[in-house]
Amino acid sequence: NAGVTQTPKFQVLKTGQSMTLQCAQDMNHNSMYWYRQDPGMGLRLIYYSASEGTTDKGEVPNGYNVSRLNKREFSLRLESAAPSQTSVYFCATEDGPNTGELFFGEGSRLTVL
Amino acid sequence: AQTVTQSQPEMSVQEAETVTLSCTYDTSESDYYLFWYKQPPSRQMILVIRQEAYKQQNATENRFSVNFQKAAKSFSLKISDSQLGDAAMYFCASSTGNQFYFGTGTSLTVIP
Repeated sequence: NAGVTQTPKFQVLKTGQSMTLQCAQDMNHNSMYWYRQDPGMGLRLIYYSASEGTTDKGEVPNGYNVSRLNKREFSLRLESAAPSQTSVYFCATEDGPNTGELFFGEGSRLTVL
Repeated sequence: AQTVTQSQPEMSVQEAETVTLSCTYDTSESDYYLFWYKQPPSRQMILVIRQEAYKQQNATENRFSVNFQKAAKSFSLKISDSQLGDAAMYFCASSTGNQFYFGTGTSLTVIP
């Protein structure tokens, strides 16, 4: 029973490098989210996708792009990584708007040197 | 936009005792949800309890209960009979539609 799977779990990048964080869910949920978690700041929404084929910006979208490849997968791309993007990234899903419960992946720790 | 404030960065409780974590929020929406999420050291966030704003009755889940004061925009979490496994970071959150807003978290230590 996988739920929400994120890869990779850990990554170290140099400034300027690019990478993609992958998120896949087997829960058949419509909505998917990408958050970043920084010490003392809680979780901040980067992008979300209310349904397959749609994406919307969240609170902190600059420096990121997303793709909702299909209902199962929602990827987050850093085109040119910066040290300010060092963070723990969480993917989450929700069955539909306003159902009220997010299901989270285990997180991906990204360090940008 | 909504804001969620957790004014207690750290709390501690003796095993088997009761602890209350505080949360206040600010929203102009009439229809919203409130949540408490738990993040243990393993990092994965899990839902502890959920409250629909239109319901006056406080939500309860076993040893976890909330005190929802809508007029005061307060949403505290009470953990009864605390256990070692309750040690974690606890996040208060609110949501409307696809928008979830999280507080900065309270780190709970359970003392044996």
